[in-house]
Amino acid sequence: QSALTQPRSVSGSPGQSVTISCTGTSSDVGGYNYVSWYQQHPGKAPKLMIFDVTKRPSGVPDRFSGSKSGNTASLTISGLQAEDEADYFCCAYGATYDYGVPFGGGTRLTVL
Amino acid sequence: QVQLQESGPGLVKPSQTLSLTCTVSGASITGDGYYWSWIRQRPGMGLEWIGYIYYSGTTYYNTSLKSRVIISVDTSKTQFSLRLTSVTAADTAIYYCARSEAWFDPWGQGILVTVSS
Repeated sequence: QSALTQPRSVSGSPGQSVTISCTGTSSDVGGYNYVSWYQQHPGKAPKLMIFDVTKRPSGVPDRFSGSKSGNTASLTISGLQAEDEADYFCCAYGATYDYGVPFGGGTRLTVL
Repeated sequence: QVQLQESGPGLVKPSQTLSLTCTVSGASITGDGYYWSWIRQRPGMGLEWIGYIYYSGTTYYNTSLKSRVIISVDTSKTQFSLRLTSVTAADTAIYYCARSEAWFDPWGQGILVTVSS
């Protein structure tokens, strides 16, 4: 299965908003509302931040939001804080039985 | 609170079999319709889904690894396991286990497995 396409890096200043894109195909991102986003700090395990395109797990700040248009999903982080600096990965469940579960290559967020 | 913990050897010789176990606590491995997944992250790279298993034993694997992977479950021990055969240096990675539905949560802390003679 093909990996989803994410920008390698994005940056923003504290208080600003940034958006990370995740582009797939009609067989994954575009075909199902099962996009999820993960935050990974260095040396740590990934943490679920968004699931089912737009939903936030309990405990995730509402500064994090997700959306989707066609074959591209997006993660927006508003009111950037220093602790948001991390790698972010998208994932798209699709027709798993014959397609698998692709992840994006990851985006490094730098808070300036 | 659901927790997962990977265990197994941190060093495997080339051509041998990598074997890891994930122990689940705080939840039933047979309940609520969840699948139980293995995911890996090679050094400096992104995440790669390896496969997952349902408590009944139904499995789904990444097609690129399918010929070398076996995931099994032991419901009596609330554990599930990964076996990856004929390993090479390219299989050096941090291996994570995770509970999954249409997303992965929570994750284990990960275990680094190095393939080297």
